[in-house]
Amino acid sequence: DTGVSQNPRHKITKRGQNVTFRCDPISEHNRLYWYRQTLGQGPEFLTYFQNEAQLEKSRLLSDRFSAERPKGSFSTLEIQRTEQGDSAMYLCASSVDNSPLHFGNGTRLTVT
Amino acid sequence: GEDVEQSLFLSVREGDSSVINCTYTDSSSTYLYWYKQEPGAGLQLLTYIFSNMDMKQDQRLTVLLNKKDKHLSLRIADTQTGDSAIYFCAENPGSSNTGKLIFGQGTTLQVKP
Repeated sequence: DTGVSQNPRHKITKRGQNVTFRCDPISEHNRLYWYRQTLGQGPEFLTYFQNEAQLEKSRLLSDRFSAERPKGSFSTLEIQRTEQGDSAMYLCASSVDNSPLHFGNGTRLTVT
Repeated sequence: GEDVEQSLFLSVREGDSSVINCTYTDSSSTYLYWYKQEPGAGLQLLTYIFSNMDMKQDQRLTVLLNKKDKHLSLRIADTQTGDSAIYFCAENPGSSNTGKLIFGQGTTLQVKP
């Protein structure tokens, strides 16, 4: 059990650029979640997958955001035309069905 | 609406007990969680309690749940400097337990030597 792995750890980009983050869940975990955490706040739910199916998306996930989990293992989160308000820590978590979520160390995005 | 509330800051001396409080809103939440976050890191699951329990103990950690008042607390016995971190309470609203957690703002615990 190597834990949830997220890459990159940090990303600095200019406003208007596209960025993509990757999450590798714990092996055998069928559920994968994306959360966003801004400074001084708790994480907020963005979306989750059960295997390769995206089952729920938050209202926070605007049409500039897209998440995929094509083979039911790793997932990517892409943000198009980044805005300064997208600056945050993006956290990935995984679980087996209804078991507690295990989080990765996150990707910190800074949009200049 | 859904809202989880925590006090923002707690300072204790090393060796004392720490009690971090949380109120939640959804009485149908099946599980309630405590996570710990150290600077620059992700969230570490500390413990969780099922809604039909009123207490759970795990080594130095004790969780108390008052369902009537929708109040959750985390007690850390013999607090150490390594316990300094932000502690988040989270609920899983609704009975389906999808993992769509609602987190509080976090309580920063400062442990003074």
